[in-house]
Amino acid sequence: EAGVTQSPRYAVLQEGQAVSFWCDPISGHDTLYWYQQPRDQGPQLLVYFRDEAVIDNSQLPSDRFSAVRPKGTNSTLKIQSAKQGDTATYLCASSLGRSQNTLYFGAGTRLSVL
Amino acid sequence: GEQVEQRPPHLSVREGDSAIIICTYTDSATAYFSWYKQEAGAGLQLLMSVLSNVDRKEEQGLTVLLNKKDKRLSLNLTAAHPGDSAVYFCAVTPGTGGYKVVFGSGTRLLVSP
Repeated sequence: EAGVTQSPRYAVLQEGQAVSFWCDPISGHDTLYWYQQPRDQGPQLLVYFRDEAVIDNSQLPSDRFSAVRPKGTNSTLKIQSAKQGDTATYLCASSLGRSQNTLYFGAGTRLSVL
Repeated sequence: GEQVEQRPPHLSVREGDSAIIICTYTDSATAYFSWYKQEAGAGLQLLMSVLSNVDRKEEQGLTVLLNKKDKRLSLNLTAAHPGDSAVYFCAVTPGTGGYKVVFGSGTRLLVSP
């Protein structure tokens, strides 16, 4: 069974540039999460979906970040105008969204904003 | 919302010693508790999970204890070896309101020979 796939693995930007991250979850997983993990910190939830619907995006900086999952499978997270404070690893995870909610993570995209 | 605190942030033990990591949480309705391991440059991998009706679970040298009265979750690596060196995270899922998973801040474990 294929795991969660993320691309790119690394991105280096200047402040003000835009970047998109792509995630392909495990087939059949209806719930998909995007986490931001700053260096030496725990993952912090940005947004999560059930199928194509956003369930919680309360921690997503909506002025510069956006996330979509149009067909309830793959997802894209976009930063419109990156800031140095966005430097972090962006993790995608998927799950079956049941009471025993195990998350399966991709390897992440490491973003550096100079 | 749910708050999770994890300690210690760093832990160094000798091979064969035990290593204990503790998390406390705030929401008494929390339903599902997990421990994840993150090796360098990789995503998180599930180690073990328990439902809220379980007080203790042991698997392959790992013991998870859940104290609901004190809202405390612990992970005990009973005989650590150098391959256990990694960052460990606790994670909690609420009992109501969906499947938002909140993580602790992590413990960097170093096991020396």
